[in-house]
Amino acid sequence: DIVMTQTPLSSPVTLGQPASISCRSSQSLVHSNGNTYLSWLQQRPGQPPRLLIYKISNRFSGVPDRFSGSGAGTDFTLKISRVEAEDVGVYYCMQATQFPLTFGEGTKVEIK
Amino acid sequence: EVQLVESGGDLVQPGGSLRLSCGGSGFIFSSYWMGWVRQAPGKGLEWVANIKTDGSDGYYADSVKGRFTISRDNAKNSLYLQINSLRAEDTAVYYCATYSFLLQSRHFDNWGQGTLVTVSS
Repeated sequence: DIVMTQTPLSSPVTLGQPASISCRSSQSLVHSNGNTYLSWLQQRPGQPPRLLIYKISNRFSGVPDRFSGSGAGTDFTLKISRVEAEDVGVYYCMQATQFPLTFGEGTKVEIK
Repeated sequence: EVQLVESGGDLVQPGGSLRLSCGGSGFIFSSYWMGWVRQAPGKGLEWVANIKTDGSDGYYADSVKGRFTISRDNAKNSLYLQINSLRAEDTAVYYCATYSFLLQSRHFDNWGQGTLVTVSS
């Protein structure tokens, strides 16, 4: 199974400041078809998860452009350019390159 | 607007069974793979199972293989999860989600609100 490791697990951020979350996979997420199926999800308190980014860097419909994803191979990053109050929650990376699908442990973003 | 509504969660004794349902609307249900993801209280997300568009194949996490069965009825726009031999560690909120399975994308894009399964004597 592919293990997804996120750092940090907690990220206190000042409003308006950037935030960055790292996700590392135990093996390359490059599929035999050349695509890399790494996505990021946000879970606000008391809410279901919500897709933010898919295939490393593609923003899902309705996601603000302050969210961006990057990376390749085994190392990936989610960046929030300027954190807003509504960004508080837990962020998960997820790989769908192979079954079983696996998630990172989650990174809690909170306001300082 | 895509909507997914789960139901069927309950308090069940260890060893018991339950059938979860998920109704979809606002999209062409038969065109999407579907999946279940669960979240134990205060914990992270855990993938449970996925099913192809026509229901011909299901994929399972090792932790549920042999006890859980995913199925669908495209005529009713419904997804199901039959859960048998329940254990305390199956206690979780169970989310259903659409799973985009294309060359250019594989991800869970729409999620329901979840249904709570509690396993306790």
